[in-house]
Amino acid sequence: AQKITQTQPGMFVQEKEAVTLDCTYDTSDQSYGLFWYKQPSSGEMIFLIYQGSYDEQNATEGRYSLNFQKARKSANLVISASQLGDSAMYFCAMRETLYSSASKIIFGSGTRLSIRP
Amino acid sequence: NAGVTQTPKFQVLKTGQSMTLQCAQDMNHNSMYWYRQDPGMGLRLIYYSASEGTTDKGEVPNGYNVSRLNKREFSLRLESAAPSQTSVYFCASSEEIAGEKRSYEQYFGPGTRLTVT
Repeated sequence: AQKITQTQPGMFVQEKEAVTLDCTYDTSDQSYGLFWYKQPSSGEMIFLIYQGSYDEQNATEGRYSLNFQKARKSANLVISASQLGDSAMYFCAMRETLYSSASKIIFGSGTRLSIRP
Repeated sequence: NAGVTQTPKFQVLKTGQSMTLQCAQDMNHNSMYWYRQDPGMGLRLIYYSASEGTTDKGEVPNGYNVSRLNKREFSLRLESAAPSQTSVYFCASSEEIAGEKRSYEQYFGPGTRLTVT
């Protein structure tokens, strides 16, 4: 069954340090996509980064990179040089069966990241 | 472009009342979704629609109905509200293309905060 696990309910990090948010997933499908979203205290959901199961390179978007380890079924988000504005909830999500437009997306329970000045 | 819009932003219902949450997107996306987010938790999929005229159940469909009125609009109806349905409801859309082996980020509306007393 499709499942996303985020084992860190909360993290504190010093400003300017790098931080890794963990995400493991469970799927029997060969074709899937992984996402990270940020939810600030204002409540909106902001897309950060995407990794497809067929992508050989790890995805990067500015200060965000995704450490994709397919054999271990992990898709950790790395934020380099953290900033105060990075304080938020972060959600990992997965969509299976990419060739079908009818497949759904599930989300993990989230990690609350707090950046200390 | 307004993106994804939701109405209302806030709603208080009494147990047993009914209401419909409205969602519209102007990005010509095929797929639309309804999620609920309970305090301190991730998003759980209620229903989704892969294309106009189709709808499918997500993780937590009980107590809800949906209508994909046209490509732009996807409404969520609570026929007889219960306190357990107190939550923040998010609508989202994405450009999923059948046969393409990648996925696309979801664009989220601002959410509807619903309280059932």
